[in-house]
This record gives sequence, structure tokens and C-alpha cells, in this order.
Amino acid sequence: EAGVVQSPRYKIIEKKQPVAFWCNPISGHNTLYWYRQNLGQGPELLIRYENEEAVDDSQLPKDRFSAERLKGVDSTLKIQPAELGDSAVYLCASGWGVAYEQYFGPGTRLTVT
Amino acid sequence: ELKVEQNPLFLSMQEEKNYTIYCNYSTTSDRLYWYRQDPGKSLESLFVLLSNGAVKQEGRLMASLDTKARLSTLHITAAVHDLSATYFCAVHMDSNYQLIWGAGTKLIIKP
Repeated sequence: EAGVVQSPRYKIIEKKQPVAFWCNPISGHNTLYWYRQNLGQGPELLIRYENEEAVDDSQLPKDRFSAERLKGVDSTLKIQPAELGDSAVYLCASGWGVAYEQYFGPGTRLTVT
Repeated sequence: ELKVEQNPLFLSMQEEKNYTIYCNYSTTSDRLYWYRQDPGKSLESLFVLLSNGAVKQEGRLMASLDTKARLSTLHITAAVHDLSATYFCAVHMDSNYQLIWGAGTKLIIKP
């Protein structure tokens, strides 16, 4: 069974530039999560989808971050414009539902210069 | 607000020794997870603990949950170098279904 796929794995951009991350969850998983992980810390939830609906985006900085999950499968997370403080690893996870464990992708390491 | 504290945050130990990582949390929860993360890699699920007194074991790792004390432990028996990684506990918030993560324990096992 294929795991959660994310791309790109690494991205270096200058501040004020836009950036997008893509996630393909495990087949059949209807719940999809985007997390941000800073160095030496645990992940912080940005947004959770149930199918194509964003059911928890309370911690998503909506002035610069946006996300979508068209057709309830793949998802894209966008930052525009990026700031220096956005440098982190962005993790995508999927699961059968909130009552089940989450399976994580390899992450995208973003560096904003 | 649910807070999750892990200790120690850093642990360097010799092979063949035993040690325990602690995870304390501040409010009631119906489940707790332990994950492993290797450097530059993603998070791998180790254990899901669903009830008071739950104990799960896999190889040299054993996790337990005391919901009354709001405490989970991850015990390492006769450590080997391959167990070197960062270990996270994550506590499920019943109110909004979020996982609240500890800061992680970086474990280094020296030959």
C-alpha cells in the first residue's frame, strides 16, 4: 500500500514569494491534515479536512495561507506571500477519521530567505 | 487548553540500559499516541492507547497509559542503537478532535 505522498520534498524561496505544497493521501482515507513542524518541536495542526470540507481551520493563518482539497482526495497548501518565520517542515497526514491514527507523509522542508 | 509535557527532552544512554520517557497532559482525553521520528524523516506511529491501564509492547518498547494520573510512559528495555530517534506523544482532544503534541524526546543510544 502506498503511503502519503508529498511534493516537493524541499523548497527554498525568497520572502514575499508564493509557494505551494501538494499532498496525495492514502487511498480511501477521507480525513486529511496539514501540520507545520518547527525545528525541535512537535507538529502543529493547520487545517483538517473531512472529504472536501475544511472542518477545522482555526489555526490556519488565513491572511497568507490557503488550502484546498478538490474532489476530496489530493490537497494543496499555499502560502502567499511567504515570510521568514514560515520556514519549517510542512507535513501532510491522512486517516480513516478523527477516531483513528494518522499516517504522515515525508514532509516538505521550506526555507524562506 | 490541553497541554502536553514530555520529559526528558533529551536522553543519551548506553546500549543494553533501560529507561523511561514520560508524557503528562493537563485535561481528560480518550486516547494517546506515541510516534517515532528519525532525523529528516516523517512520523511513524508506534502505539495507540485507548483506555486506562492500557499497555502495549513492540520489541524493546512498551507504552502504558494511566488516565487518572494523566500520564503515559514509554519504556525502553535493553536499548539498541537502532532505537535512536525522537519520540513524540500526542494526546487527543475530545472537544475538537485535535492531537496536541509533546515537544518530543530526542533519544541517542551509544554503542
